[in-house]
Amino acid sequence: QVQLVESGGGVVQPGGSLRLSCGASGFTFSSYAMHWVRQAPGKGLEWVSLIEYDGGNKYYADSVKGRFTISRDNSKNAVYLQMSSLRVEDTAVYYCAKHRSGTWSFDYCGQGALVTVSS
Amino acid sequence: QSALTQPPSVSGFPGQSVAISCTGTSSDIGSYNRVSWYQQSPGTAPKLMIYEVINRPSGVPDRFSGSKSDNTASLTISGLQAEDEADYYCSSYTTSSTWVFGGGTKLTVL
Repeated sequence: QVQLVESGGGVVQPGGSLRLSCGASGFTFSSYAMHWVRQAPGKGLEWVSLIEYDGGNKYYADSVKGRFTISRDNSKNAVYLQMSSLRVEDTAVYYCAKHRSGTWSFDYCGQGALVTVSS
Repeated sequence: QSALTQPPSVSGFPGQSVAISCTGTSSDIGSYNRVSWYQQSPGTAPKLMIYEVINRPSGVPDRFSGSKSDNTASLTISGLQAEDEADYYCSSYTTSSTWVFGGGTKLTVL
């Protein structure tokens, strides 16, 4: 079965950096685009970024463009989110999600990694 | 990339039907049939319920249905059950090659 496991969350000061990882199993990882989606405490979902199956194209929400970088390593079945110049408003649970092939949605999420930006 | 507009809350009695609206613009919902709906219970990850406006993934009960007219999409849940109580989010692909979510709607089964 599909499994996605996020890691790398923690507490970081404003202006700092953090790298999230997401390990995937149960599907042919190299055939699927992957998303990052976040949810601030008590708030709604916010789409963050997508990377195509081969890493060829990457897309970002305006709120993170220029500060966050998505990447993947298909040999390790992993997707990453490098976050820099972090702001208090980036505090959230970050989910990685598998894109549903042939559609415009995602069909599996991990349980999330909490990132807290605070001084 | 303004969020799509959803009502903060809806409610209904078991067995009744409820509809959740999701209003966007001509840059998202109005441009494509690329609307999805997700269900999220407290402390859990989102679950895909509807994709491409009207389609249900396998395992999602046919009590859940979707529709769209112009810039507004809707999720209808018929025959409400206690287990349907959750937060629901709509999402749309946009003309900027990004995705946007709605603010979420809390469904209470009375």
